[in-house]
Amino acid sequence: DAGVTQSPTHLIKTRGQQVTLRCSPKSGHDTVSWYQQALGQGPQFIFQYYEEEERQRGNFPDRFSGHQFPNYSSELNVNALLLGDSALYLCASSWIPPGQGAGGYGYTFGSGTRLTVV
Amino acid sequence: QQQVKQSPQSLIVQKGGIPIINCAYENTAFDYFPWYQQFPGKGPALLIAIRPDVSEKKEGRFTISFNKSAKQFSLHIMDSQPGDSATYFCAATRYQTAGSYQLTFGKGTKLSVIP
Repeated sequence: DAGVTQSPTHLIKTRGQQVTLRCSPKSGHDTVSWYQQALGQGPQFIFQYYEEEERQRGNFPDRFSGHQFPNYSSELNVNALLLGDSALYLCASSWIPPGQGAGGYGYTFGSGTRLTVV
Repeated sequence: QQQVKQSPQSLIVQKGGIPIINCAYENTAFDYFPWYQQFPGKGPALLIAIRPDVSEKKEGRFTISFNKSAKQFSLHIMDSQPGDSATYFCAATRYQTAGSYQLTFGKGTKLSVIP
C-alpha cells in the first residue's frame, strides 16, 4: 500500500523563480495538506485542499498557491522565490469521515521535497 | 505567536533511560494532541495521540500525560533504545468547519539515546 509520495525529492531554484511541487495522497485519502518545515523548526501549515478547493489556509502570502486534481493529487506552487523559502515542504493526506471531529485521522506525511533557493 | 511551546530543544539519555519531553499550549479550543517522530530525511510519523478528556494514554513504551488545567502535556519513552533517536514533535489541533483541521507543531526535540 503506497503511502504519500512527493516529487521531486530535492530541488534547487534561483531567487525570483517559480516552483511547483507535487503530491500523491495515500490510497483512500481525499484531503491534502501542505506544510513548510524550516531547518530546525516544526512544520507550519500552509493550506489544505478538499474536493479540489482550498479549505483552510495558514499564515502564508499569496505567493503560495495550490491545486487539487480530481484524482486527489495536489500541487504546491511558489512564485517569486525568496531565500527564506528554502525549507522541506511536506504533504500530508487524510480522510475525514462526514461528521467526525478533529484529529489526525489517517493523517499521513510524505518524506517531503527539499527546496533550496540560491 | 507560538501556540505550542516544546522543551527541551535537545536531550541525551543512556539506553534504558526515560526521556521526558514537555509541551504547553495556549489555545483552549485545541481538542486533539498528537506526538510525531521524525527521522532524518523522512516526514513526521504519528506516534501516539490524546484527547483532553483523558489524563494519560499508553501505547507500548510511549506514554502521554495530559494536564488540562495547566494546558500542558508530555511524552515519556520507557526503556529508551538507540533506535528511538529521532526528533519528536508535539502538536495540537482543533475541530474546524466541515471536519477540516490543521496541526500546530512545537519546534521539536532532538533525542539521542546512547548505547
